[in-house]
Amino acid sequence: DSGVTQTPKHLITATGQRVTLRCSPRSGDLSVYWYQQSLDQGLQFLIQYYNGEERAKGNILERFSAQQFPDLHSELNLSSLELGDSALYFCASSPRDPGYEQYFGPGTRLTVT
Amino acid sequence: GIQVEQSPPDLILQEGANSTLRCNFSDSVNNLQWFHQNPWGQLINLFYIPSGTKQNGRLSATTVATERYSLLYISSSQTTDSGVYFCAVGSYNQGGKLIFGQGTELSVKP
Repeated sequence: DSGVTQTPKHLITATGQRVTLRCSPRSGDLSVYWYQQSLDQGLQFLIQYYNGEERAKGNILERFSAQQFPDLHSELNLSSLELGDSALYFCASSPRDPGYEQYFGPGTRLTVT
Repeated sequence: GIQVEQSPPDLILQEGANSTLRCNFSDSVNNLQWFHQNPWGQLINLFYIPSGTKQNGRLSATTVATERYSLLYISSSQTTDSGVYFCAVGSYNQGGKLIFGQGTELSVKP
């Protein structure tokens, strides 16, 4: 158990819908990262938050957004969902950034039908 | 950006055999991690090893940062070692993100 929790574990929804994925980092970690794992793109960085502020953005679509709350948990919002958004979404946390070991949550498997 | 290449892409072993997985990266890094993704999709941290050598049971890893490669050794493999092994790197000038290789899919047969 990495200490990072993610909910829900599985999500099945229809095209055009909006979903929210939730992540709680390890106790004491200030940095939260979101990654997407799809069959064609592999594991890709989406976005990072550090102590409530956006720190870095990767290949994140405009339809996606995230935030980190004062208690340090984070949410990833995906809207106007398309079939191609079906993927495994991971959250990771680290004490600070950069250069610290990242610990990954169990992931949320999103299926868009 | 930094490119990460892993080899081999696939590996089939008999239980008890040893193996070496390789990760090459194209620029200097400050973070290098090895992960095992099990059949349920979980990413398990194996090593945080931006340089040097570490051992944990039957697994060990070596990173030669000056030559931009890392090796993961698995000895006396077991069926539970099956899954995908990922190498991921990060550098200060690219923020904290990890850049992943495409993985090595390992299958250990009984």
